[in-house]
Amino acid sequence: GDSVTQMEGPVTLSEEAFLTINCTYTATGYPSLFWYVQYPGEGLQLLLKATKADDKGSNKGFEATYRKETTSFHLEKGSVQVSDSAVYFCALIQGAQKLVFGQGTRLTINP
Amino acid sequence: DAGVTQSPTHLIKTRGQQVTLRCSPKSGHDTVSWYQQALGQGPQFIFQYYEEEERQRGNFPDRFSGHQFPNYSSELNVNALLLGDSALYLCASSFWGVHYGYTFGSGTRLTVV
Repeated sequence: GDSVTQMEGPVTLSEEAFLTINCTYTATGYPSLFWYVQYPGEGLQLLLKATKADDKGSNKGFEATYRKETTSFHLEKGSVQVSDSAVYFCALIQGAQKLVFGQGTRLTINP
Repeated sequence: DAGVTQSPTHLIKTRGQQVTLRCSPKSGHDTVSWYQQALGQGPQFIFQYYEEEERQRGNFPDRFSGHQFPNYSSELNVNALLLGDSALYLCASSFWGVHYGYTFGSGTRLTVV
């Protein structure tokens, strides 16, 4: 079945550092890809999405490009802030309208 | 415009008991999905309701059941609770057929002792 694999966490960075969180997926067709963010004590919020190959999703300084050739959707941000500290989930959806999530990556940004 | 509302926020139950969790979808949404998020893990799909019918089901036993009401709100019921059912239960609402419009609630934290 479909699956998503994220880089192992936790990730700890200093403020203004460059961020990359790796995500690869396995799917038989052409899924839509998402990054969700979960702040402490809250539900999931959609951060960005891409619905077809070579699409770039972006929001709040975060970016991710749908790479079909490498089945990847890595999350990047050029300069992280303390407020970016959260758990980040890569996910896909295809046909059957159920989101398939990775295991999550906990990000901590130190001032 | 209210988002997805879940109740209760926290719950403690004893093994073998039954529990009911509730979800009110975002205004206008007609589809409700339930997810289980174990500590340190990503959410796992339980099932999805549309037009008061279960449309899809994940790999969960029959102890997990649900219902959707005419006003689109939904309940998740779990019977014969096990310690392993301890998790954050998330409800997500959307428009039927729209893949990117999911709105999640803050979840119900269920602890089974």
